[in-house]
Amino acid sequence: DQQVKQNSPSLSVQEGRISILNCDYTNSMFDYFLWYKKYPAEGPTFLISISSIKDKNEDGRFTVFLNKSAKHLSLHIVPSQPGDSAVYFCAVPLRGSQGNLIFGKGTKLSVKP
Amino acid sequence: GAGVSQSPRYKVAKRGQDVALRCDPISGHVSLFWYQQALGQGPEFLTYFQNEAQLDKSGLPSDRFFAERPEGSVSTLKIQRTQQEDSAVYLCASSLRWDAAYEQYFGPGTRLTVT
Repeated sequence: DQQVKQNSPSLSVQEGRISILNCDYTNSMFDYFLWYKKYPAEGPTFLISISSIKDKNEDGRFTVFLNKSAKHLSLHIVPSQPGDSAVYFCAVPLRGSQGNLIFGKGTKLSVKP
Repeated sequence: GAGVSQSPRYKVAKRGQDVALRCDPISGHVSLFWYQQALGQGPEFLTYFQNEAQLDKSGLPSDRFFAERPEGSVSTLKIQRTQQEDSAVYLCASSLRWDAAYEQYFGPGTRLTVT
């Protein structure tokens, strides 16, 4: 049973508009959440994270929102740029800050010029 | 400095062959992880090393899979008697601190195709 779910396999957005990528999780004990970005033929690269004690974390054009009661987080990219086109993975460390990451299946974002 | 490197980048094996996949982590990184990413899926955990100690191998799918990191740096993932279901991208990741293992840096992966 998937502990981290990304229910949208793909998303297409016009350049300059907002991209919103969603992620749901099942375990209320998770206390740290990450987003990774992956280009073809490359490994995932860390993008942004959020601790469960916060509900928002912002880094430039990227903002992650956490709704603990709904066990839901989202990544907002504003404004979207063609270079943002990639697969985005939501990930959670299995045990607090240690151990392996549990990944969602990813959402492929396409930003059209 | 250099990132995580993996070799080979692409490997084609006939069913039944043994393969060895290499990972060179970032120098000084304590923790090293192996993940398997099937087509259209997210990476799935295989095994974890802290220095040379293999602390978790719960994700290895069968006893045909074996990993080692004898000197606490380079790691090798070996798959014996490869099967078609082993076809996937194998990702290696490393992190500097054992207690911040979530700050993982990934290599580009090795794409294994078993024919």
